[in-house]
Amino acid sequence: EVQLVESGGGWVQPGGSLRLSCAASGFTLSSYWMTWLRQAPGMGLEWVANIFRDGSEIHYLDSVKGRFTISRDNAKNSLYLQMNSLRAEDTAVYYCARDLDIATESGYYDAFDIWGRGTTVTVSS
Amino acid sequence: AIQLTQSPSSLSASVGDRVTITCRASQGIRDDLGWYQRKPGQAPKLLIYAASSLQSGVPSRFSGSGSGTDFTLTISSLQPEDFATYYCLQDFNYPRTFGPGTTVDMK
Repeated sequence: EVQLVESGGGWVQPGGSLRLSCAASGFTLSSYWMTWLRQAPGMGLEWVANIFRDGSEIHYLDSVKGRFTISRDNAKNSLYLQMNSLRAEDTAVYYCARDLDIATESGYYDAFDIWGRGTTVTVSS
Repeated sequence: AIQLTQSPSSLSASVGDRVTITCRASQGIRDDLGWYQRKPGQAPKLLIYAASSLQSGVPSRFSGSGSGTDFTLTISSLQPEDFATYYCLQDFNYPRTFGPGTTVDMK
């Protein structure tokens, strides 16, 4: 079965750190862009960061640049999000998602076809 | 960052109704737009990518259209399982951004 399972969430004080993991199964992680997204309480979905198949290209949401680091270990079929200097506004359910990165005559398109169930991060004193 | 607005923010409809949701971008994004369905307690589900391409396995009652700044998601005949929140997502540039969502509930 193709699936993604996040772990590593929890409660942390402002300024603290957490490392989220996303374990992939049923497919070869190295074949896909991977993405972290989040949803804060009562808010909509928010894209956080993504990483190319071999880790050679990475992009971040401006508000997490310099604080969060996305990485992957294709040999372990795992994706990670190291979160430092956490703020209250980082409180959210964090999801990892597979990006099909569909190629057409017009170009490439994001298509998040597989999502995990999410892991909750709470930043509070 | 590109801002996406959706209208309406919510709507009430009946089974069998034709439902149309609009997504507007703050600048032109070609056809770099996807649509996702979200039900409570579930992960989002990809419906449409590239503005109008139906994801494999998604019922044909869902369709997308538009380019530039204005996009539409249409459900031709609403089914009981379609009551959910729908989000648009632009992948024209970084950071990717979502619309605020449109909730479709039962009239």
